Amino acid sequence: DSGVTQTPKHLITATGQRVTLRCSPRSGDLSVYWYQQSLDQGLQFLIQYYNGEERAKGNILERFSAQQFPDLHSELNLSSLELGDSALYFCASSARQGGTDTQYFGPGTRLTVL
Amino acid sequence: AQTVTQSQPEMSVQEAETVTLSCTYDTSESNYYLFWYKQPPSRQMILVIRQEAYKQQNATENRFSVNFQKAAKSFSLKISDSQLGDTAMYFCAGDMNYGGATNKLIFGTGTLLAVQP
Repeated sequence: DSGVTQTPKHLITATGQRVTLRCSPRSGDLSVYWYQQSLDQGLQFLIQYYNGEERAKGNILERFSAQQFPDLHSELNLSSLELGDSALYFCASSARQGGTDTQYFGPGTRLTVL
Repeated sequence: AQTVTQSQPEMSVQEAETVTLSCTYDTSESNYYLFWYKQPPSRQMILVIRQEAYKQQNATENRFSVNFQKAAKSFSLKISDSQLGDTAMYFCAGDMNYGGATNKLIFGTGTLLAVQP
C-alpha cells in the first residue's frame, strides 16, 4: 500500500459525459501528479500540482482540468468524453518539488467510455 | 528531447534464475534520477529501485540491482533468484528536471516479464 488513495476504482460512462477522479496523497506529501496509461500512448504525464498551485502541464487535453485543494487532495475533471479517453488514470504524490523525490502511485482509476 | 527507451517488449525467465531488463535514456542534464517501477496484473505501480545520476555506486534493493552506465546512458535492472511474484510489466522512468519546477516522470514503453515455474 503506497498510502496514495484514488476513487473510484472503476468508472464506466458514455461519450459526451463528464467525470471527476479523486486522489488523496500520502500524508505530508505536497506534490500531486496525474498520469494517463493507455494502450496506444503508454504512460504519459498530464499535470502536476504543488501545495495547491499548478506546477507543470504535460499532454493534457483542453477538455481535462485538475485542481488541488487546501487539504491537498486533488481532482481530475474529464469532460466531453470520447472513446479514446478510456484509460487507466494514476495519481502519484511526492514530498517536495525541485531536486527530486520519489513518486508513489495510487491504485489508479480505470475509466471506460462507451 | 528527453526520452526513455525499453527495447525488450517481452522477456521470460525460469524461476530462481537471473534476468536483466534493459533501458536507455537521453537527456542533456548532468544530474537526474532514474527509476524502475513494477506493474503486476493488479495494475498497481510499485517502485522497485531508484538511482541518482551523481552517485557512481549502483543501487541495490534485495534481489534487485541496477547497472548504471552514465556515459552510455544505460540503466538496466537485474533481478536475481527470480520468483513467480516477479511476473509483471516493468517500466523504466526518468526524472530529468533536477532543480526545476517539476519532477514529472518520463516512462519507457515497458518490458513484460514472465517468470516460469
